[in-house]
Amino acid sequence: AQSVTQLDSQVPVFEEAPVELRCNYSSSVSVYLFWYVQYPNQGLQLLLKYLSGSTLVESINGFEAEFNKSQTSFHLRKPSVHISDTAEYFCAVSKETSGSRLTFGEGTQLTVNP
Amino acid sequence: EAGVAQSPRYKIIEKRQSVAFWCNPISGHATLYWYQQILGQGPKLLIQFQNNGVVDDSQLPKDRFSAERLKGVDSTLKIQPAKLEDSAVYLCASSSRLLGTGELFFGEGSRLTVL
Repeated sequence: AQSVTQLDSQVPVFEEAPVELRCNYSSSVSVYLFWYVQYPNQGLQLLLKYLSGSTLVESINGFEAEFNKSQTSFHLRKPSVHISDTAEYFCAVSKETSGSRLTFGEGTQLTVNP
Repeated sequence: EAGVAQSPRYKIIEKRQSVAFWCNPISGHATLYWYQQILGQGPKLLIQFQNNGVVDDSQLPKDRFSAERLKGVDSTLKIQPAKLEDSAVYLCASSSRLLGTGELFFGEGSRLTVL
């Protein structure tokens, strides 16, 4: 079975500062990797995903994540955060053979302060 | 395109009572999931449907939880009798694919408080 560990439960940062949310996974088979975001009182939304190919994937709002197979990591980064990025971020993994059935990490609350 | 609809958004019940949650997935999505998200934790899969058949219910506490998707469209999750530890947000998600790389689309969730 696969598992996901998000190394930080809370990350407070100031506006316009860079941020990294860390995610490590464990799996004996090939996986797909995802970051989902949950804004207050809303459902989870897909932020970005790694399926294959280039190990660096980007979202439309400036986040990026890099798949590192040797370190089994999929850390999420943004060079300059905004107040509106305040949300809970979940790293998730699925086996290539089970497609969209996701196993989630415990989440990281990102709080951007002015 | 309408998103995943869930109701009720909030429910408060006493322990040992029963509760039911409803989910209507995105039109045409054959795969439907129910996840349980306890406060401070990530979502955990309870059950996965493909059309009206169960694909995976290994994590569903079957002594008290049940779920159905009779016509392969909307779904109902029931808890009977509820326990204090069932307090959580119940998330419904749908996908257009069973396998492959289909994105999951989530509803806003149904928040259950058991007193």
